[in-house]
Amino acid sequence: QQQVKQSPQSLIVQKGGISIINCAYENTAFDYFPWYQQFPGKGPALLIAIRPDVSEKKEGRFTISFNKSAKQFSLHIMDSQPGDSATYFCAASFSARQLTFGSGTQLTVLP
Amino acid sequence: DTEVTQTPKHLVMGMTNKKSLKCEQHMGHRAMYWYKQKAKKPPELMFVYSYEKLSINESVPSRFSPECPNSSLLNLHLHALQPEDSALYLCASSQQTGSNQPQHFGDGTRLSIL
Repeated sequence: QQQVKQSPQSLIVQKGGISIINCAYENTAFDYFPWYQQFPGKGPALLIAIRPDVSEKKEGRFTISFNKSAKQFSLHIMDSQPGDSATYFCAASFSARQLTFGSGTQLTVLP
Repeated sequence: DTEVTQTPKHLVMGMTNKKSLKCEQHMGHRAMYWYKQKAKKPPELMFVYSYEKLSINESVPSRFSPECPNSSLLNLHLHALQPEDSALYLCASSQQTGSNQPQHFGDGTRLSIL
């Protein structure tokens, strides 16, 4: 019940396209859903986060969509750029519990 | 540049060596974390310190020994490691433990055990 399932494992998108990464969870106690971006040789960097009382949050080209009833949330990257090529991790947590990470999505944006 | 600084960036050690990884943050955060990350996998939590006290140990083998000398520093002492311990070791910090507290990661120490 602590798992967060992430898909797809890898994603290839053309420059200017939309990248979509999906996550699903079972534990309805989760109340914080961050997305992390990790480049090779670097640590994960917080990209954007959402709480379940909102259905969508947008920061620049990055949008989180949240569907509480379906227990799913997704990351949309608009106008994808080669510089967005990285590994993306969704995560979830609640109360004083620690982050539960998804398995990761390796995104490649072709020039 | 990351606000969580980890040293060294790379470390190669034999199975009988003793070494330490260091982590420093000056954001006034009172929670600090050690994670282990294998290639193409998500970070796995090892230890959590809250207000300089160990609050979570995720059943980590005793060959890994954490230490929090003060609110800005976190060490991970290594002794008699195994080849399967080769990984990227990440330090992170947050204002406090608990949900809704963004964790800020360092760039890690790439550890190789010969």
